[in-house]
Amino acid sequence: GQQLNQSPQSMFIQEGEDVSMNCTSSSIFNTWLWYKQDPGEGPVLLIALYKAGELTSNGRLTAQFGITRKDSFLNISASIPSDVGIYFCAARRSGGSNYKLTFGKGTLLTVNP
Amino acid sequence: DVKVTQSSRYLVKRTGEKVFLECVQDMDHENMFWYRQDPGLGLRLIYFSYDVKMKEKGDIPEGYSVSREKKERFSLILESASTNQTSMYLCASSFGTSGTEQFFGPGTRLTVL
Repeated sequence: GQQLNQSPQSMFIQEGEDVSMNCTSSSIFNTWLWYKQDPGEGPVLLIALYKAGELTSNGRLTAQFGITRKDSFLNISASIPSDVGIYFCAARRSGGSNYKLTFGKGTLLTVNP
Repeated sequence: DVKVTQSSRYLVKRTGEKVFLECVQDMDHENMFWYRQDPGLGLRLIYFSYDVKMKEKGDIPEGYSVSREKKERFSLILESASTNQTSMYLCASSFGTSGTEQFFGPGTRLTVL
């Protein structure tokens, strides 16, 4: 079945450091999304990517849709304590249901002040 | 801004009780979803609905049913709650047939004793 392999599972960094995480799959997807979930809250959409090779920024966040359409990465620059949370990738398969997303299992980010 | 609200943030029920989880969205979205989120397993789709009175099973529908009588409201029903249904339940919505971006509610943490 379709799976998104998200790595790393967790990261412990110092405030000010840059962060990089990625999602890979053996399947082709036509849309990639990145979400952040704060403890006890629902996921919040950070960035949506619709085209292979696309690079999109949202403040200190930058995400790219891999050229093979099988992967995506998210970078956070100059991390701050409020970046703490779980980051999820999600993707919609080419030719698949218009409604269903496949989710990665998340990267838990801890930022030490 | 899209707003998705869920009726309860925390709920404690006893085994065998009938449980209703309510979700309301205010953006006139056609699609609504129910997920459960468990440590190590990520987000798993229970049911989704692409129109009023329409529903489709997700990946783990056993033990659950849903109701969509109005466009803005999507209910998840546990006919006879069991302890293995203790989880975080997340509702989401998205726009039309092209709406990949799903917007999540804050979640309901359900404990079944």
